[in-house]
Amino acid sequence: GAVVSQHPSWVICKSGTSVKIECRSLDFQATTMFWYRQFPKQSLMLMATSNEGSKATYEQGVEKDKFLINHASLTLSTLTVTSAHPEDSSFYICSASGTSGALDTQYFGPGTRLTVL
Amino acid sequence: GQQLNQSPQSMFIQEGEDVSMNCTSSSIFNTWLWYKQDPGEGPVLLIALYKAGELTSNGRLTAQFGITRKDSFLNISASIPSDVGIYFCAGTNSGYALNFGKGTSLLVTP
Repeated sequence: GAVVSQHPSWVICKSGTSVKIECRSLDFQATTMFWYRQFPKQSLMLMATSNEGSKATYEQGVEKDKFLINHASLTLSTLTVTSAHPEDSSFYICSASGTSGALDTQYFGPGTRLTVL
Repeated sequence: GQQLNQSPQSMFIQEGEDVSMNCTSSSIFNTWLWYKQDPGEGPVLLIALYKAGELTSNGRLTAQFGITRKDSFLNISASIPSDVGIYFCAGTNSGYALNFGKGTSLLVTP
């Protein structure tokens, strides 16, 4: 149980284009989903927290107009990187917590490698 | 959130040896979690701790939630090559995001 999937697993795009990443909880309802980015050999950095049906809460320094988050259902959240630039290249990971395990426990997706040319 | 103090930063050991790593925080947490991350993958939950003093095992892994609620440790017994990876501790309180340690990189030689 507690499986989280992400799609795509990797994406290469041109500078200026937008990219959408999906995060799904496959066997439980995710009341809260989190989006992280991770640079090589570093820990995960929280970008935003989203609760189903409400606006996401962004961490300081994360542009909400650039990283659009939608959590429209209890099993799906999307992150759209708008007008992507090379500095947005990173490993993006989502996590979900909800009806599987304790509410504090987060289960992570496999990550999406974004490369912006 | 705060970055937790996780040590050691890296370990290079021989197969069969035991491993110990720990994590400390300046603030109290209600939950401690230990994850393992392989290259290019998302973190996988190893052990979750919900009560101060709790000692929990998962196969060769054992983790404890410190009495002060400001620390936790993870032990791996009889390490094997597939234990290689980066181990992260994380502390959290109900409804809040995880606070991560910087990770412990574990290398195991056959």
